[in-house]
Amino acid sequence: AQSVTQLGSHVSVSEGALVLLRCNYSSSVPPYLFWYVQYPNQGLQLLLKYTSAATLVKGINGFEAEFKKSETSFHLTKPSAHMSDAAEYFCAVRKGAQKLVFGQGTRLTINP
Amino acid sequence: GAGVSQTPSNKVTEKGKYVELRCDPISGHTALYWYRQSLGQGPEFLIYFQGTGAADDSGLPNDRFFAVRPEGSVSTLKIQRTERGDSAVYLCASSSRGMSGGAYNEQFFGPGTRLTVL
Repeated sequence: AQSVTQLGSHVSVSEGALVLLRCNYSSSVPPYLFWYVQYPNQGLQLLLKYTSAATLVKGINGFEAEFKKSETSFHLTKPSAHMSDAAEYFCAVRKGAQKLVFGQGTRLTINP
Repeated sequence: GAGVSQTPSNKVTEKGKYVELRCDPISGHTALYWYRQSLGQGPEFLIYFQGTGAADDSGLPNDRFFAVRPEGSVSTLKIQRTERGDSAVYLCASSSRGMSGGAYNEQFFGPGTRLTVL
């Protein structure tokens, strides 16, 4: 069965520091993987997606993620955090034809 | 253009009452999804519509939950005899068509309806 696990419910970094949000997946088939961001009182917004093409995926707002099959991971990174990056981030995997299965989320806090 | 809209943004009700939550998808999107997000959790799939029909309702937790999309656009999620455990944010998403085969069509999410059952 397809599922994802996000390691760390809260991550805090200083402005300008590296952001690393961890996601490990479990899938019996080649996975489609996603990262979404949720700002307060707003809907989920797609940051990036992996659909079995390039293993390094670049998304919006300077984020990128690398698909590593050997580690069953799809960690999200950004070289330099901005205050505006403070939000909740969700990793998700496609299950079946239509469903998205989400992780529990990681709340990112940026310290000035 | 307009995104997915959901009304009301907040709904407070008493245990045992009936509630309806509305979703207006992006114009022209044939696929519509409902998810439920409990506090501190990621969204959980409830139901998926392709056009007017529910193609997959395997995520509905029990028969108190029902959703319709009679004209293939607006959808209403209906909850009967609400319980305190139904308190959550209910998210709606739409896409130009459902994901199938190797194609991925991005799901665009609305801001959600926060349901509180007292």
